Amino acid sequence: GDSVTQMEGPVTLSEEAFLTINCTYTATGYPSLFWYVQYPGEGLQLLLKATKADDKGSNKGFEATYRKETTSFHLEKGSVQVSDSAVYFCALRGTYSGAGSYQLTFGKGTKLSVIP
Amino acid sequence: EADIYQTPRYLVIGTGKKITLECSQTMGHDKMYWYQQDPGMELHLIHYSYGVNSTEKGDLSSESTVSRIRTEHFPLTLESARPSHTSQYLCASSSDRGNVDTQYFGPGTRLTVL
Repeated sequence: GDSVTQMEGPVTLSEEAFLTINCTYTATGYPSLFWYVQYPGEGLQLLLKATKADDKGSNKGFEATYRKETTSFHLEKGSVQVSDSAVYFCALRGTYSGAGSYQLTFGKGTKLSVIP
Repeated sequence: EADIYQTPRYLVIGTGKKITLECSQTMGHDKMYWYQQDPGMELHLIHYSYGVNSTEKGDLSSESTVSRIRTEHFPLTLESARPSHTSQYLCASSSDRGNVDTQYFGPGTRLTVL
């Protein structure tokens, strides 16, 4: 079945540092890939997405490129801010395969803390 | 921008009480979902619906039940709450419109059962 593996946290960075959160996946076909962010006490917000190989999703300075050859979708940001402190989830939506095809498969989440 | 609402945001109740967690969306999405999020942050799908009068159980077994009588409304009910039900519950919705079935989440309900 589908699976998502993301780097374990917690990750602590100083403000303006470079961020990478690794995410690799296992799926058949051509899944769509997502990054969600969860701020303290809130639900998940869609951060960015990519629907096919070599697509780059970007939002709020975050980027991730869909790499089919390495089955990866790593999240990057060039200069993090204190306000980026949150939990980040990588997720995939598999290609249609009947019942349950609309479900997302999530990674376990990576907690990021950015200190001034 | 997603318009999906959950009430209450926080709930503390005693063991044995019946509770209903509300979830509504104003986007006309046909698909809706309930997730349980454990303290370690991992998300578990407990129920989903493809449309009115359609409900399915998710990957994680749950003692809760759901109903989908209206497109916009997907309430979750616990007939008799127990301390093991203490968790964060997240509702989401999605649609195939625009080709990519993207899930949008509500703010969550944090449930504590004493």
